[in-house]
Amino acid sequence: EAQVTQNPRYLITVTGKKLTVTCSQNMNHEYMSWYRQDPGLGLRQIYYSMNVEVTDKGDVPEGYKVSRKEKRNFPLILESPSPNQTSLYFCASSHPPGQHYEQYFGPGTRLTVT
Amino acid sequence: ILNVEQSPQSLHVQEGDSTNFTCSFPSSNFYALHWYRWETAKSPEALFVMTLNGDEKKKGRISATLNTKEGYSYLYIKGSQPEDSATYLCAFTTRGGFKTIFGAGTRLFVKA
Repeated sequence: EAQVTQNPRYLITVTGKKLTVTCSQNMNHEYMSWYRQDPGLGLRQIYYSMNVEVTDKGDVPEGYKVSRKEKRNFPLILESPSPNQTSLYFCASSHPPGQHYEQYFGPGTRLTVT
Repeated sequence: ILNVEQSPQSLHVQEGDSTNFTCSFPSSNFYALHWYRWETAKSPEALFVMTLNGDEKKKGRISATLNTKEGYSYLYIKGSQPEDSATYLCAFTTRGGFKTIFGAGTRLFVKA
């Protein structure tokens, strides 16, 4: 089954404790992206990657890191989480813009930083 | 600053009503305009991607149009059903960097 998976789905952590949210897709998509969703603000792009070893900042990259060592994986790293990073996070993947360019979203990771 | 505006913020309609929503986006540096449907407790699902001025797409009772010169897109739902209740998101992708900017969504409630 074609899908985007994220882990964990729920996480409660404390300020400053490094964490990684994993994202994996099995559709051979080149393009992957991380978003956060906050009430009233819609989805905001954190980082995106157009291919292996190619990443770029979205609108709200501060406090986050990403890596793209393999095509299928795009982990989101919070080196020192803070309470303002409490949010619902979505990973998404697609073929490159111009080729059936719908984004497929993962199930979401609800993160709470206390 | 690139901004995508959606209106209305929310909409309550009766079963059988037809409805439409608006998405406004920057007309410069345009690459693509997307519509997504997002049900509560689920992930957004793609409805349409449009790239050319004048594009029209249709999927069942839902259709969308695109005007890149004036920077707007409309989503239409004909004969709304309770299962159409969801948040409808539009997103704008920029040329070159392929950043994606989402609007805040239109929340549709369809009453049986």
